Amino acid sequence: EVELLESGGGLVQPGGSLRLSCAASGFTFSTYAMVWVRQAPEKGLEWVSSITDSGGTTSYADSVKGRFSISRDNLKDTLYLQMSGLRVEDTARYYCAIRVIIAGTYIEYFHHWGQGTLVTVSS
Amino acid sequence: AIQMTQSPSSLSASVGDRVTITCRASQGIRNDLGWYQQKPGKAPRLLIYGASTLQSGVPSRFSGSGSGADFTLTISSLQPEDSATYYCLQDYNSYTFGQGTKLEI
Repeated sequence: EVELLESGGGLVQPGGSLRLSCAASGFTFSTYAMVWVRQAPEKGLEWVSSITDSGGTTSYADSVKGRFSISRDNLKDTLYLQMSGLRVEDTARYYCAIRVIIAGTYIEYFHHWGQGTLVTVSS
Repeated sequence: AIQMTQSPSSLSASVGDRVTITCRASQGIRNDLGWYQQKPGKAPRLLIYGASTLQSGVPSRFSGSGSGADFTLTISSLQPEDSATYYCLQDYNSYTFGQGTKLEI
């Protein structure tokens, strides 16, 4: 059974840093691209960042570019999100999810989401 | 950046009703669109990808249609467990979610 377990959230002051982890199990982690998606309290979903299966290509939402860094360790089956320069508006639940790309097509989707980890940025 | 305008933002319907939620993209996105369901306190769940392909395990009362800039999610006969917030997501150029539709039964 596919499982994604996020951790590392917590309370941090504005300007601070935090590293989120997403431990994967139940599938061949190294063969799937991954994403981080966040949801501010009582708000909608926002894509944050993506990384390819090898980790060779990453992308970021404009709102976090230059402050957040996505990475992965395929030997540990773990996805990371290093967050720095945190702002109050980064307060949200952060989800990791598998980015499924159907081979030979441009069709993709986010599948098998974790339960998320809550990040609160406040003084 | 591509903007996704989802409507309505909320709606109330009864068991057995047919419900339609729409998403309009600020530019053409082929059929690079998915629909997700989120219940309170839970992670989102994939319902439909490629605008119209039903994800395995999702009840057949859910269907998606559209291409280009206009898309719809239809629930043919509402069930109590369909009470949730629904989001569209474009993946044509980066990723953008619609603002969500809260469906109350």
